[in-house]
Amino acid sequence: SAVISQKPSRDICQRGTSLTIQCQVDSQVTMMFWYRQQPGQSLTLIATANQGSEATYESGFVIDKFPISRPNLTFSTLTVSNMSPEDSSIYLCSVRPSTDTQYFGPGTRLTVL
Amino acid sequence: KQEVTQIPAALSVPEGENLVLNCSFTDSAIYNLQWFRQDPGKGLTSLLLIQSSQREQTSGRLNASLDKSSGRSTLYIAASQPGDSATYLCAVKGVDYKLSFGAGTTVTVRA
Repeated sequence: SAVISQKPSRDICQRGTSLTIQCQVDSQVTMMFWYRQQPGQSLTLIATANQGSEATYESGFVIDKFPISRPNLTFSTLTVSNMSPEDSSIYLCSVRPSTDTQYFGPGTRLTVL
Repeated sequence: KQEVTQIPAALSVPEGENLVLNCSFTDSAIYNLQWFRQDPGKGLTSLLLIQSSQREQTSGRLNASLDKSSGRSTLYIAASQPGDSATYLCAVKGVDYKLSFGAGTTVTVRA
């Protein structure tokens, strides 16, 4: 299993600003994922972050808006840039230690005013 | 592209009743299927994982079945309790190992 922590747990931000979300895992994992859950919606994959390589973004998500860092096998950051109210969501970090079970962090609840 | 549908979107039952949550998916070429629980404003907790070669998995009061050929999974929760109130998400892992999520079923168990 894997235990994941995220910081901050929640934040309220002004439009036009940026927020960086941190994800820390208690064990080394190759594959780390960032998801977004908009209000009342299910989870959508933003990008896959592997250590030592550029993140791979899903359709509809771009690096300029959601830059990701993956400096080592236990840590990653997601930045939400130039925020607008439409970015208000829960952002979740996830890891997949094997091809089977996937684990999720507690999420970061972002509100953009 | 895999489409995952969960019906019903919301369910309210009295305490003690059994819960039946449905999940359907369009592409039967899956690696596994996972059921998660999400409490309001929180992350996801894994409940059960069924490999594509399995028909069902059980954990305590929870039982999940999988019929890959018809693209369906059902989560049964026996003798529901108020603490079971949450949103339940079905996630299908494709052969590319990517998860596709349903929109969830929000369950309320009335005391």
